[in-house]
Amino acid sequence: KQEVTQIPAALSVPEGENLVLNCSFTDSAIYNLQWFRQDPGKGLTSLLLIQSSQREQTSGRLNASLDKSSGRSTLYIAASQPGDSATYLCAVPAGGYQKVTFGIGTKLQVIP
Amino acid sequence: KAGVTQTPRYLIKTRGQQVTLSCSPISGHRSVSWYQQTPGQGLQFLFEYFSETQRNKGNFPGRFSGRQFSNSRSEMNVSTLELGDSALYLCASSLVPDQPQHFGDGTRLSIL
Repeated sequence: KQEVTQIPAALSVPEGENLVLNCSFTDSAIYNLQWFRQDPGKGLTSLLLIQSSQREQTSGRLNASLDKSSGRSTLYIAASQPGDSATYLCAVPAGGYQKVTFGIGTKLQVIP
Repeated sequence: KAGVTQTPRYLIKTRGQQVTLSCSPISGHRSVSWYQQTPGQGLQFLFEYFSETQRNKGNFPGRFSGRQFSNSRSEMNVSTLELGDSALYLCASSLVPDQPQHFGDGTRLSIL
């Protein structure tokens, strides 16, 4: 059974800092990993999708890396802004179907 | 292009009642998945539908059921509601299974 852990559970940083969010998973036989953002009371917004054959993906100030062998992914946010405040979740498909396992998330607060 | 639409946004029910939630996927998307999100358990997979067929089901009791119509719209039903069913129910659609999912803003269900 795939288990996904995200550390830290919460993070508070001053504006402008670079930060790293961590995601670990127990079953390395994955074919992709996805990072999402969730604002309070809202659904999830996809940020980055990394295929198993890739080591990293970048979108603007976001960079996600994937190390399947160690069961880890990191989401790097450069020059954080107050608008980045949200909960960030990583998700890993379990098996060959769209049964996805999510981490609990990291709640990020960027202080102006 | 309209996103995933979930109705209603908020719902209050009492124990023992039953409820039906609706999800309209992005136009052209044929795969729909449902998730339950609670503070304690995080996001948990309920079921996935593709071409009107349930492809996968999470570990939820039989009180939770769903279906998909020929236009890809999906409904989920929860019978004999319990206090623990209070949660945010999220629907996600993708073109076909195993493709990146796009989430709606969810239905907030509160059981009194």
